[in-house]
Amino acid sequence: DSGVTQTPKHLITATGQRVTLRCSPRSGDLSVYWYQQSLDQGLQFLIQYYNGEERAKGNILERFSAQQFPDLHSELNLSSLELGDSALYFCASSGTSGRINEQFFGPGTRLTVL
Amino acid sequence: QQQVKQSPQSLIVQKGGIPIINCAYENTAFDYFPWYQQFPGKGPALLIAIRPDVSEKKEGRFTISFNKSAKQFSLHIMDSQPGDSATYFCAASKSRAAGNKLTFGGGTRVLVKP
Repeated sequence: DSGVTQTPKHLITATGQRVTLRCSPRSGDLSVYWYQQSLDQGLQFLIQYYNGEERAKGNILERFSAQQFPDLHSELNLSSLELGDSALYFCASSGTSGRINEQFFGPGTRLTVL
Repeated sequence: QQQVKQSPQSLIVQKGGIPIINCAYENTAFDYFPWYQQFPGKGPALLIAIRPDVSEKKEGRFTISFNKSAKQFSLHIMDSQPGDSATYFCAASKSRAAGNKLTFGGGTRVLVKP
């Protein structure tokens, strides 16, 4: 168990809909990262937050947005969903000093868009 | 642009054998190279990591070899066991960048036969 929690575990929705994925980082970790894992694209970085502020952005679609709240949990919002958005979405967190680069992944949310 | 190339895509070994997975990177600014293990339905789990100032690192039955001049690194699993059957991902990041996102290789599915 990495200490990172994600909800829900599974999500099935229809095209055009909007969903919210939630992540709680390990206790004390200030950085949260979101990754998408699909069969054709592999593991792709989406976005990083550090202590509530956006730190880095990857290949994240404009239909996707994220935020990190004062209690450090993060949410990834996916809107106007398309079939191609079906994937596993992982959240990871990392610490503030020493082993700052070690990212610990949650169990993921499997999104199915029908 | 695939900045981290991983090979082979799949590997089958007998119990006790030594699966070897290779990765090559392009960006010389990368300075942190972790390996992750992923079981079906689970999130990637950090196995072992190395920095460019070290040519080899061992943790238990897992060994990373690093060749800075060739921009290559590899994972060896010593005395492999059926429980090691999983997908392995190499990754790279720039630890001193504003955002230390992970860039992943495509993954290697390892099957260890009893």
